[in-house]
Amino acid sequence: DTAVSQTPKYLVTQMGNDKSIKCEQNLGHDTMYWYKQDSKKFLKIMFSYNNKELIINETVPNRFSPKSPDKAHLNLHINSLELGDSAVYFCASSQERGPQYFGPGTRLTVT
Amino acid sequence: AQSVTQPDIHITVSEGASLELRCNYSYGATPYLFWYVQSPGQGLQLLLKYFSGDTLVQGIKGFEAEFKRSQSSFNLRKPSVHWSDAAEYFCAQSGSARQLTFGSGTQLTVLP
Repeated sequence: DTAVSQTPKYLVTQMGNDKSIKCEQNLGHDTMYWYKQDSKKFLKIMFSYNNKELIINETVPNRFSPKSPDKAHLNLHINSLELGDSAVYFCASSQERGPQYFGPGTRLTVT
Repeated sequence: AQSVTQPDIHITVSEGASLELRCNYSYGATPYLFWYVQSPGQGLQLLLKYFSGDTLVQGIKGFEAEFKRSQSSFNLRKPSVHWSDAAEYFCAQSGSARQLTFGSGTQLTVLP
């Protein structure tokens, strides 16, 4: 079984659309994350979330919002997509400050 | 603010040669340190981690890393590189907020 899974793997959409990326982990971890990897492969944290606290990176536009229906899922909603949102988005999970395990990534292309 | 520096953007080694990838971190308290590897089109795979204790840590695929507090370094090493090791390598640290701060990555090319 895949530890951290994401859907879809590829997402192509037009500017102005609203889209969601889903993430699920079956590791029983208490914290989940979203990272963005830009075209230069630089990885940057967007959000971290457990059942007590949502930490938002201050540079993330409020068009991005995480939604967690339960402990094993953390979805990423993006409103009014812009060209600059094109990137690879990775979901990850960890138990407390333990190592983070990453999903396979979702390549978002905004045209 | 926390930061992780990987001074080498690109390293090329011959297959069978030894490898050292450099990483410097900045964090006042004891950091949690990690090395991840990313193959083209893939996600990130954890190679090894350092939390405390023995400063030399062993990881998967024959990799090891040494934590040196005096130099704020956590360099990754492998005694003999295989062609399948060609990938992007990321050093990362975790602070109290659990979020990972990544270095900019080092692209490893392996020559036959």
